[in-house]
Amino acid sequence: ETGVTQTPRHLVMGMTNKKSLKCEQHLGHNAMYWYKQSAKKPLELMFVYNFKEQTENNSVPSRFSPECPNSSHLFLHLHTLQPEDSALYLCASSREDGNTEAFFGQGTRLTVV
Amino acid sequence: DQQVKQNSPSLSVQEGRISILNCDYTNSMFDYFLWYKKYPAEGPTFLISISSIKDKNEDGRFTVFLNKSAKHLSLHIVPSQPGDSAVYFCAASDDRGSTLGRLYFGRGTQLTVWP
Repeated sequence: ETGVTQTPRHLVMGMTNKKSLKCEQHLGHNAMYWYKQSAKKPLELMFVYNFKEQTENNSVPSRFSPECPNSSHLFLHLHTLQPEDSALYLCASSREDGNTEAFFGQGTRLTVV
Repeated sequence: DQQVKQNSPSLSVQEGRISILNCDYTNSMFDYFLWYKKYPAEGPTFLISISSIKDKNEDGRFTVFLNKSAKHLSLHIVPSQPGDSAVYFCAASDDRGSTLGRLYFGRGTQLTVWP
């Protein structure tokens, strides 16, 4: 139990579908992140939220739309994705301070067909 | 352009021996470094960290060494155990003077510890 929970664990969706990934943390952290891990690539930071405010969008296409209603929940809304978007999507959280470790969820394995 | 590099995709070590995982970085502004361990079908879990004001940090069987002049850090695991078999990610943060750290990850090294 890492304190960061992601659902669903696996998702298969068509290119015309709309789906959402959910992340919840019970660690009292104020910063939450979405990372993407593609095969043979390093973990890529997608979005950063600090105290519910988006502080970073790492040049992510608009077909990925994050939402952070409160410091404990983070969503990633997906629509009209491409097969190359198939990857492991990881949520993480940390304290709002710098130089602190991030705690990761187990990830959602997304396959776009 | 990758700022954190793990040039060895895999490492195989016999149980009881030392495992040494290496990581190089290019950004001199990085001031905090972390190692994460990842098992299949799980998210990365934090293992150990080191601040740039130190050159060594030890936690049980795990020791991280930092050589700032060479922009190099390494993770030593001794003695290695079969349960240590996992992918190890090196990560670095530059903080950028903000209140929110940002982690740059290497591609990972698959460690296999055999009996």
